[in-house]
Amino acid sequence: DQQVKQNSPSLSVQEGRISILNCDYTNSMFDYFLWYKKYPAEGPTFLISISSIKDKNEDGRFTVFLNKSAKHLSLHIVPSQPGDSAVYFCAATYTGGTSYGKLTFGQGTILTVHP
Amino acid sequence: GAVVSQHPSRVICKSGTSVKIECRSLDFQATTMFWYRQFPKQSLMLMATSNEGSKATYEQGVEKDKFLINHASLTLSTLTVTSAHPEDSSFYICSANPVTSGGNEQFFGPGTRLTVL
Repeated sequence: DQQVKQNSPSLSVQEGRISILNCDYTNSMFDYFLWYKKYPAEGPTFLISISSIKDKNEDGRFTVFLNKSAKHLSLHIVPSQPGDSAVYFCAATYTGGTSYGKLTFGQGTILTVHP
Repeated sequence: GAVVSQHPSRVICKSGTSVKIECRSLDFQATTMFWYRQFPKQSLMLMATSNEGSKATYEQGVEKDKFLINHASLTLSTLTVTSAHPEDSSFYICSANPVTSGGNEQFFGPGTRLTVL
């Protein structure tokens, strides 16, 4: 049962344009969402997060949008740079109870930014 | 800040041997660390939650007798793959929540590539 889904395995974008990575979840208990960037043979690097009490969070070139009714979140990168090329994972967690800190990851989306 | 290291970064072993992987938080304390594994082109799957001073909590389907976890201090957790077999070959990654943080942002180690021959 894949509770967090990234339906696009890959995305190709021209440098300077906007990259939009999408993520859907099914577990309505999730109340905190994170995006990680990962290079091959390395651990994920935290990018940005959002609490379910918000619908948008912005940090520099990265903005995460949350649509709770649709159980959908997206990561916008603008402008995209070649150095952004990596695998992007969305993750979700429920901050209450015994699940505190446990992350459920999506399958990842490979972003390629062409010069 | 918030650096997590893993050792070794890569290990190749014979089938039937045991392998220990260390996860250290270098500049913060972590009461909880997490162990994940990632198969090629797949997502990170949580294996277990490692709690300092107490037993680890394993996810469904993960054999606790095969994947021994010890969280001996606030900066060190170890994962021992006992009697490793080729199907245990994978990329193992640990993460940690700083004690002083809200606990939602986990910081990941660089991972350990295990190859069992």
